[in-house]
Amino acid sequence: DAKTTQPPSMDCAEGRAANLPCNHSTISGNEYVYWYRQIHSQGPQYIIHGLKNNETNEMASLIITEDRKSSTLILPHATLRDTAVYYCTTNSGYALNFGKGTSLLVTP
Amino acid sequence: EAEVAQSPRYKITEKSQAVAFWCDPISGHATLYWYRQILGQGPELLVQFQDESVVDDSQLPKDRFSAERLKGVDSTLKIQPAELGDSAMYLCASSLTPGQPQHFGDGTRLSIL
Repeated sequence: DAKTTQPPSMDCAEGRAANLPCNHSTISGNEYVYWYRQIHSQGPQYIIHGLKNNETNEMASLIITEDRKSSTLILPHATLRDTAVYYCTTNSGYALNFGKGTSLLVTP
Repeated sequence: EAEVAQSPRYKITEKSQAVAFWCDPISGHATLYWYRQILGQGPELLVQFQDESVVDDSQLPKDRFSAERLKGVDSTLKIQPAELGDSAMYLCASSLTPGQPQHFGDGTRLSIL
């Protein structure tokens, strides 16, 4: 199973872009990269996923390096409601392999 | 609000007691997962169902935990007897098919006294 490594915490000013990095150097060719976020006392919320191409949806953009060993989640205009723990995961065997995530604090 | 329904939201019980959690996935989702999340950690898979069949229960402590999805729709996770170390958030997730994005419920927070 691919392991992911994320910084434990990050800060971002409201209105600025939040760029959250993730290392997944042992990812195999058929594993997708998934990003979820979790607000205190709620279940994880799906954000975006990708295999090797960059992806964008209404919530965020996902940039995956060409060698697929790392990725970056971009929240283009962070708001206070984006304060949460962000998990980068892979899906070896379809189950998600969560690490400890990055605690993102968006400040006014 | 989460579309995957879980109940109860909170459960407090004494060790050695039995406890059960219920999950109703998103309609039409064939794949259902149970995860356990200890405070400060990411969720860890306990068991995965495809329809009514168990696909992966390698991380389920089978001496005390059981899970079923008899009609391939809703599911129940049971612990008997509960131990102090079982205190955690128990999350249910579902996906249309394996490999599709999983959608989580808001979980059941279990406290063992």
